[in-house]
Amino acid sequence: DVKVTQSSRYLVKRTGEKVFLECVQDMDHENMFWYRQDPGLGLRLIYFSYDVKMKEKGDIPEGYSVSREKKERFSLILESASTNQTSMYLCASSFSGQGANQPQHFGDGTRLSIL
Amino acid sequence: DQQVKQNSPSLSVQEGRISILNCDYTNSMFDYFLWYKKYPAEGPTFLISISSIKDKNEDGRFTVFLNKSAKHLSLHIVPSQPGDSAVYFCAASEYSNYQLIWGAGTKLIIKP
Repeated sequence: DVKVTQSSRYLVKRTGEKVFLECVQDMDHENMFWYRQDPGLGLRLIYFSYDVKMKEKGDIPEGYSVSREKKERFSLILESASTNQTSMYLCASSFSGQGANQPQHFGDGTRLSIL
Repeated sequence: DQQVKQNSPSLSVQEGRISILNCDYTNSMFDYFLWYKKYPAEGPTFLISISSIKDKNEDGRFTVFLNKSAKHLSLHIVPSQPGDSAVYFCAASEYSNYQLIWGAGTKLIIKP
């Protein structure tokens, strides 16, 4: 079974702090994704990576950056946290292949609150 | 402007009956569609998918129907069981594009 592990289930930070969200997958997947989920909006893609050290912007990259130094690990960084970044953050991974035809496997999410 | 729309935020169905969840899309370039299921405090899990070259795909109790002319797809669950109570997300992609476009989700409640 694929395991995608997010480092924290709940996190509370203060405005202006630099925040790191970590994600590790154990299935040797090439692709990794960071989403945020907000009520009524579904999942929105922040960044994704299709290989080590490669990254692509998603729909809402502003205020975020990512790092992928190793294949199994994909980090999301909030450079200077703001209250509008309070959300549920979901990490996912998948094999490469023909586009999205490889299902994405998700972690259980990190509920981040910025005070 | 949402390209993938799930217009029903919630749906309540009697156990044993059919559940039908609907999804509409606007982008005619979408050619691959997926349904995910999400329980509270867990990440979404992949349920079933369909390519635009098909109009139906079945997996056990779950069937997805695609109507390309209407830009509409639906997920049928027969018979509905209590464990099916969850939020269901529809997602779509263009060929060779890793990015999924997600609907807002429909909360399905199965009543005993």
